[in-house]
Amino acid sequence: TQLLEQSPQFLSIQEGENLTVYCNSSSVFSSLQWYRQEPGEGPVLLVTVVTGGEVKKLKRLTFQFGDARKDSSLHITAAQPGDTGLYLCIYTGTASKLTFGTGTRLQVTL
Amino acid sequence: DTAVSQTPKYLVTQMGNDKSIKCEQNLGHDTMYWYKQDSKKFLKIMFSYNNKELIINETVPNRFSPKSPDKAHLNLHINSLELGDSAVYFCASSYWALKDIQYFGAGTRLSVL
Repeated sequence: TQLLEQSPQFLSIQEGENLTVYCNSSSVFSSLQWYRQEPGEGPVLLVTVVTGGEVKKLKRLTFQFGDARKDSSLHITAAQPGDTGLYLCIYTGTASKLTFGTGTRLQVTL
Repeated sequence: DTAVSQTPKYLVTQMGNDKSIKCEQNLGHDTMYWYKQDSKKFLKIMFSYNNKELIINETVPNRFSPKSPDKAHLNLHINSLELGDSAVYFCASSYWALKDIQYFGAGTRLSVL
């Protein structure tokens, strides 16, 4: 079973701060996805990274895929309360099976 | 219009009962999934169907039986509910060719008392 370890597990910060969430594995992935799940809702896809070293930006969110395609990071600049949620890195294996990371719960307060 | 809709959103029931959760998607996707999210927020796939055919059947008790009457629907029936079945169950859908882009429903919170 391929495991995706995320760190930190919990993060509580104030509005305006920057943060980085990490997703690590010992396996090489063809691609990784990042999802965000808000309380009471299902996960929503944020981005897919495919190429080693790739950097993608989504407004204040910056996603990076490691050169060796074993890890990924999500950096949020100037966090806002609307960024609060559970952030999941996910790998799509064969036969449409998603393997979920352990998750990072982010709380952004005013 | 909600893309992936699940009903009910909350389900509270006694141990030993049988219950069903329904899922419908209006995105024209050909693949649908059921996931279970435990109290630690860890999501794990249970089943996936492609064009009404079972593709993934993870190690799930036989008490759980999915049914896909057509491509737009995937229901989950649970027999003889146990305390450990309490969790949030998510339905999702995608195109088979774009499996990494899945759309999730809002979840069904099942509480077994």
